[in-house]
Amino acid sequence: DVKVTQSSRYLVKRTGEKVFLECVQDMDHENMFWYRQDPGLGLRLIYFSYDVKMKEKGDIPEGYSVSREKKERFSLILESASTNQTSMYLCASSTDRDTEAFFGQGTRLTVV
Amino acid sequence: AQSVSQHNHHVILSEAASLELGCNYSYGGTVNLFWYVQYPGQHLQLLLKYFSGDPLVKGIKGFEAEFIKSKFSFNLRKPSVQWSDTAEYFCAVNAAGRRALTFGSGTRLQVQP
Repeated sequence: DVKVTQSSRYLVKRTGEKVFLECVQDMDHENMFWYRQDPGLGLRLIYFSYDVKMKEKGDIPEGYSVSREKKERFSLILESASTNQTSMYLCASSTDRDTEAFFGQGTRLTVV
Repeated sequence: AQSVSQHNHHVILSEAASLELGCNYSYGGTVNLFWYVQYPGQHLQLLLKYFSGDPLVKGIKGFEAEFIKSKFSFNLRKPSVQWSDTAEYFCAVNAAGRRALTFGSGTRLQVQP
């Protein structure tokens, strides 16, 4: 079974803090993704990576950056957290052969 | 840019009722299509997917979906829902050659016993 693990289920951070969300997958997948999920908006793609040190912006990259130093790990960074970044963040991975995405449990981030 | 529309935001059904959730996408080329489900407190998991071949796709837990290319649609169906089907359902699309999925806004299904 593919396993995608996000380091925290719940986080509370203060406005202006630098926030790191970590994600690890154990199936040697080439692609990793960060989405945010908001009620009524579904899932929106923030960034994705198709190889180590390679990244591409998604639909809503503003205020975020990412890091992929190892194939199994993909980090989402909020450089200076703001209240409008309060959301559920979902990490996913997939292979190039089959674009089905496998998801982690999600991290519910609250910025106060 | 590709986009996905789910017309039903919140659906309430009684047990044993039939279900159909609409999904339309906007992309003229070859697409891969997915339905995901998110049960309360759980991660998103795949219900079914369509890449090519028979446009009627069967998934887990008795769900099926039909790809109608001329209508750009991929509607999800189940003949008889159960209380345990209460969840949020997401349709997703990716154009052939693209790595990332584009998701619809989701449909919250509530099944009353």
